Amino acid sequence: AQKVTQAQTEISVVEKEDVTLDCVYETRDTTYYLFWYKQPPSGELVFLIRRNSFDEQNEISGRYSWNFQKSTSSFNFTITASQVVDSAVYFCALSEVNTGTASKLTFGTGTRLQVTL
Amino acid sequence: GAGVSQTPSNKVTEKGKYVELRCDPISGHTALYWYRQSLGQGPEFLIYFQGTGAADDSGLPNDRFFAVRPEGSVSTLKIQRTERGDSAVYLCASSTGSQSSYNEQFFGPGTRLTVL
Repeated sequence: AQKVTQAQTEISVVEKEDVTLDCVYETRDTTYYLFWYKQPPSGELVFLIRRNSFDEQNEISGRYSWNFQKSTSSFNFTITASQVVDSAVYFCALSEVNTGTASKLTFGTGTRLQVTL
Repeated sequence: GAGVSQTPSNKVTEKGKYVELRCDPISGHTALYWYRQSLGQGPEFLIYFQGTGAADDSGLPNDRFFAVRPEGSVSTLKIQRTERGDSAVYLCASSTGSQSSYNEQFFGPGTRLTVL
């Protein structure tokens, strides 16, 4: 069975601080995908990134960066120079790779990030 | 273009009643998913469709829950004999079904269901 653990329930930072959101996953599959989603106060989940289990390169997109370490089953997310607009709940998710082109996502319980001035 | 839409945005019903929740995926997306999100939790998978057929319905909690997608586009999630424990936000998502963007799911705003 697949499982995603986000141990940090809530994080508060002051604007311009860097913050890292942790994600640890469990799967028996050798091939899988990892995702991060953002859920702002409006409620709609926003896709941020998808990473294939074969690709352990770190990725940077603007102020966002992701660190994938297969050896520790972790896929952590860092926001550099945080802004108030980053305040949201962030979910890490995992999916298997099957013969089709779609499969279910298994989500963690989320980390609520509060950025204050 | 238009994103995933869900109607109604809010539904209040009484215990024991039947409800239908509707999802309109992004045009051209072949895969459609239903999730349920309780307060303070992550979305929990219910069912997904590839075209018209349910490819995986392992997340449906019991036989009171049923979903259809008769023409491979709009989907309806049906809940019979609602219980208070069914209260949650029901999320719909869709994806292109292509290998290049495997499983990148785009979510709708959800339907908040309250069972009194």
